[in-house]
Amino acid sequence: QQQVKQSPQSLIVQKGGISIINCAYENTAFDYFPWYQQFPGKGPALLIAIRPDVSEKKEGRFTISFNKSAKQFSLHIMDSQPGDSATYFCAATRTDSWGKLQFGAGTQVVVTP
Amino acid sequence: AAGVIQSPRHLIKEKRETATLKCYPIPRHDTVYWYQQGPGQDPQFLISFYEKMQSDKGSIPDRFSAQQFSDYHSELNMSSLELGDSALYFCASAKSRDNSYEQYFGPGTRLTVT
Repeated sequence: QQQVKQSPQSLIVQKGGISIINCAYENTAFDYFPWYQQFPGKGPALLIAIRPDVSEKKEGRFTISFNKSAKQFSLHIMDSQPGDSATYFCAATRTDSWGKLQFGAGTQVVVTP
Repeated sequence: AAGVIQSPRHLIKEKRETATLKCYPIPRHDTVYWYQQGPGQDPQFLISFYEKMQSDKGSIPDRFSAQQFSDYHSELNMSSLELGDSALYFCASAKSRDNSYEQYFGPGTRLTVT
């Protein structure tokens, strides 16, 4: 059973556009929410992460929005570039439980030129 | 910056054979995680180690075992391989118990069982 639900499954966006990926969780004990970027045949790379005590975190073109009451968080990729084409996974974990990551199902993002 | 090293990168085995996957964490990282990723799926947690002791266990088959050595590298041993074991196996490392949630993944080992 997927503890973190991620949508959409795939996304096509034009170069310069905004990619938005959404995730929802049920376990209120989760207190660390990272996003990973994975290219085919490569390992997931930690992109950006957020804790529940902040509602938004921005790093370059990547922004996480967090809604604690709704138990939802999202990744926004601004000014999407063809090099952003990858699979993005949201994840969640409890920082007091050895950090075992629960991943969402992943979103395949394709940025067209 | 040094990253997580995994070897081998690709491995082909036949059913019922044994495989050993190795993971070398980022220097000064003492926590290691193993994940299994099937085709088109998300990574699934298998097992983790902190300071050479098993810290947590996920959906790891009894045919699999793992350990962490004194130099913090870890090995995942898989016996009686089945076709369904074909997957990408990732190792991730974290700096310490207090930062165990901030995990950095290696490039993975692609295991194909024929």
